Amino acid sequence: AQKITQTQPGMFVQEKEAVTLDCTYDTSDPSYGLFWYKQPSSGEMIFLIYQGSYDQQNATEGRYSLNFQKARKSANLVISASQLGDSAMYFCAMREDGGTSYGKLTFGQGTILTVHP
Amino acid sequence: DTAVSQTPKYLVTQMGNDKSIKCEQNLGHDTMYWYKQDSKKFLKIMFSYNNKELIINETVPNRFSPKSPDKAHLNLHINSLELGDSAVYFCASSPHNLWGAYQVIAKNIQYFGAGTRLSVL
Repeated sequence: AQKITQTQPGMFVQEKEAVTLDCTYDTSDPSYGLFWYKQPSSGEMIFLIYQGSYDQQNATEGRYSLNFQKARKSANLVISASQLGDSAMYFCAMREDGGTSYGKLTFGQGTILTVHP
Repeated sequence: DTAVSQTPKYLVTQMGNDKSIKCEQNLGHDTMYWYKQDSKKFLKIMFSYNNKELIINETVPNRFSPKSPDKAHLNLHINSLELGDSAVYFCASSPHNLWGAYQVIAKNIQYFGAGTRLSVL
């Protein structure tokens, strides 16, 4: 079974609007971390935001916020006030902290975000 | 200063050759990783080293051999390159690697290098 699922292969948003990128996950570990990374066309992987499974509040980093719904096992990324430079591939990833995961990240398939002027 | 640096950025080579990719991090992290991103952009862990000790080896062909001379460096050597090895290889590092009993883990964010695009002809 897929551990991380991103159901939106592509998303479009108008500049200055907000956009939500979906991510659902599957784990039986009580302790885990959820991450979002951005991969622009230049290819590097840029860390955006982190949410721990025990965190009581949703994470925020500037224009990025993570809508964490633990019971639904979802960790959607919200980008407010989209900018042209936000056009990129976005990956959701999970780190399971128990068992034999040894800290590895499991990635979703990615969502390509295109911001229109 | 680049935190996680990989060299080379591009690597074009013939089938059957042997090649290496180098990775260095100056973040003082304990743990380093190699990930492979295939042509469909899917990212998958290959190896991880914690303080020079191999802790993850994810069903990677033994033509791939990681080497960690010290905790700031993790190199990837690939023997007898095949067409299917064409991909982007990312090195990453994180402060710690904590496993085993459940713990409340700090963020332990993995920071990635810029990637090495390997093309096997």
